[in-house]
Amino acid sequence: GESVGLHLPTLSVQEGDNSIINCAYSNSASDYFIWYKQESGKGPQFIIDIRSNMDKRQGQRVTVLLNKTVKHLSLQIAATQPGDSAVYFCAENTNAGKSTFGDGTTLTVKP
Amino acid sequence: SAVISQKPSRDICQRGTSLTIQCQVDSQVTMMFWYRQQPGQSLTLIATANQGSEATYESGFVIDKFPISRPNLTFSTLTVSNMSPEDSSIYLCSVRTGTDTQYFGPGTRLTVL
Repeated sequence: GESVGLHLPTLSVQEGDNSIINCAYSNSASDYFIWYKQESGKGPQFIIDIRSNMDKRQGQRVTVLLNKTVKHLSLQIAATQPGDSAVYFCAENTNAGKSTFGDGTTLTVKP
Repeated sequence: SAVISQKPSRDICQRGTSLTIQCQVDSQVTMMFWYRQQPGQSLTLIATANQGSEATYESGFVIDKFPISRPNLTFSTLTVSNMSPEDSSIYLCSVRTGTDTQYFGPGTRLTVL
């Protein structure tokens, strides 16, 4: 069956360093991928997305990379701040428009 | 973007009872979804709430346990019926606007004793 998973369940970084969160997906038919940030007690918040016809997309301090050959997605956060501490989920969309979520990576930023 | 509110934000319920969760969106949206997030875990799609017709349920979820209403394009309810402690979770309403971007409500934290 299709699945989206994350390589590491937790990540701890020093404030100011760059963070890289990884995600593996198995459904080669997925054509749209999203990264979400979920802070404690809140719903997931959209961060950045990428379509399968792209391999890189940049936002403010965040970059998403897509490698379709190995079915791998990553989220890079530049100059990580304490406010970036949260759980990060990747999700893939099928043609039916439903999102399948990965397991989540907890990012902790140390001051 | 879309602003989503949910009621209640949290509740503690007794086994065997039912709870109805409301989801209100500040604009008309085509697609609304209900997710469950068990403690420390990822999100699992329960169903797609269809306006004017029966919801579409995912494998493992049935209408008798999770009846859903969607009377219009801005509102939906999810009922968790005949609750057991295993139903303790965060229930999240989500919408998709004209683009593929999906927005989430703040969630309803349910504890079943």
